[in-house]
Amino acid sequence: QKEVEQNSGPLSVPEGAIASLNCTYSDRGSQSFFWYRQYSGKSPELIMFIYSNGDKEDGRFTAQLNKASQYVSLLIRDSQPSDSATYLCAVTYSGYALNFGKGTSLLVTP
Amino acid sequence: ETGVTQTPRHLVMGMTNKKSLKCEQHLGHNAMYWYKQSAKKPLELMFVYNFKEQTENNSVPSRFSPECPNSSHLFLHLHTLQPEDSALYLCASSQARTGEGGYTFGSGTRLTVV
Repeated sequence: QKEVEQNSGPLSVPEGAIASLNCTYSDRGSQSFFWYRQYSGKSPELIMFIYSNGDKEDGRFTAQLNKASQYVSLLIRDSQPSDSATYLCAVTYSGYALNFGKGTSLLVTP
Repeated sequence: ETGVTQTPRHLVMGMTNKKSLKCEQHLGHNAMYWYKQSAKKPLELMFVYNFKEQTENNSVPSRFSPECPNSSHLFLHLHTLQPEDSALYLCASSQARTGEGGYTFGSGTRLTVV
C-alpha cells in the first residue's frame, strides 16, 4: 500500500506569518507531487505541483521536494484568513492515479 | 459550461433505490476518475477511465457501477447501497492518466443513504 502521510492538524498561525505544511510518502518511485486546497464543503482545488527536487515558487506559495528523504512541503507566506482550509498532498507514480493524504487543516487567525 | 460539472449536488436515497451520478468535463481531457471522500479519511480512488476505457477498479463493491460512454462523460450507477456509502463523491479529469498538470475536480455529489 503506497502511503501519503500528513499531520491532520489543525495548524494555527497568525495572520502575516509563514505556514509550513508537510507531507511524506512511502513509494520511492513517486514522480509527481501536488498540493490541493479544499475549503469546507467544497471540492479540492490545485494550487501547486512539483516534479523535481528543490523549490518551486508561485506567488505566496512555495513547494519544496526532497526525494531522498521522501517528503514534500508547502510554505504559505504572509498567511491570510482566506488561506484557512484543508491542504491535501497528492502523489503519483508512473502510470497510476493520484494517491492523496488525509490533509492538514490550516487556521489563520486575524 | 466550463471545467468539470457534477449532478446532482445532493442526493438522498434509500438502500433499495437505484440512482446515477453524472459527471461531464469541458476541458478536452483524456482521463476521468471517481473518488470517494468520507470524514476523517483520505480521498479514496474508485475508478479510472483513460480514453473511455476503464484502467483501474480499486476493489470497489459491485453496488457501484461506472460507465464512460465517451471521454467527456462519466457516470456512477448506484444500487442497494449501505449507510456507510454516505460520502462526498468527486469526479475529476486530467489530460493524461498520470496526472501531469494535476486533476480538475467537480463540485461533488453529497450522497446520503438512509
